[in-house]
Amino acid sequence: DAGVTQSPTHLIKTRGQQVTLRCSPKSGHDTVSWYQQALGQGPQFIFQYYEEEERQRGNFPDRFSGHQFPNYSSELNVNALLLGDSALYLCASSLVDRYNSPLHFGNGTRLTVT
Amino acid sequence: KNEVEQSPQNLTAQEGEFITINCSYSVGISALHWLQQHPGGGIVSLFMLSSGKKKHGRLIATINIQEKHSSLHITASHPRDSAVYICAVRSGGTSGSRLTFGEGTQLTVNP
Repeated sequence: DAGVTQSPTHLIKTRGQQVTLRCSPKSGHDTVSWYQQALGQGPQFIFQYYEEEERQRGNFPDRFSGHQFPNYSSELNVNALLLGDSALYLCASSLVDRYNSPLHFGNGTRLTVT
Repeated sequence: KNEVEQSPQNLTAQEGEFITINCSYSVGISALHWLQQHPGGGIVSLFMLSSGKKKHGRLIATINIQEKHSSLHITASHPRDSAVYICAVRSGGTSGSRLTFGEGTQLTVNP
């Protein structure tokens, strides 16, 4: 049973470019959440997707957008990249609103913006 | 002030020592998670708590809902326990839930 998989593992982009990160949830999970983790800090919630819709959003600008596909996989898109977008981007999957649903994280995508 | 505060930020211990990491939060929650993050980034869920106490091997997690406080204990610590330990609280209703994370505690266990 595959867990949460993210691709790519590492990515280097230039300021102003656009990037797409991908996440496949754990088998049987229907909800995908994205987090940004800057070096030395805890993760910050970006947004959550369920039934192909964004259900909740953290304090991130519109440059950050996402999508969920019918197979529950998800993409995170970041436009007009800034140096400050350099971070580890984590994806987590779960079952919708099951408060006893454990968390499953991917290994993350390390994005470096130069 | 962050909604989730962890202490200490850094902790160095000798192998075999008993370790405690604390987490305080200021929001209403439906659950609290303790997570372990190794270098390279992967995060593993250790515990999910909504009340009381849970134990798994040498790890024990407790939560006091009234005091909005949780602790993670490691008994007989080992160098392989060296990692960042993160407290995260789940909040939100039926319209969606989110996690708010603490800054993490960097634990180093020396042999």
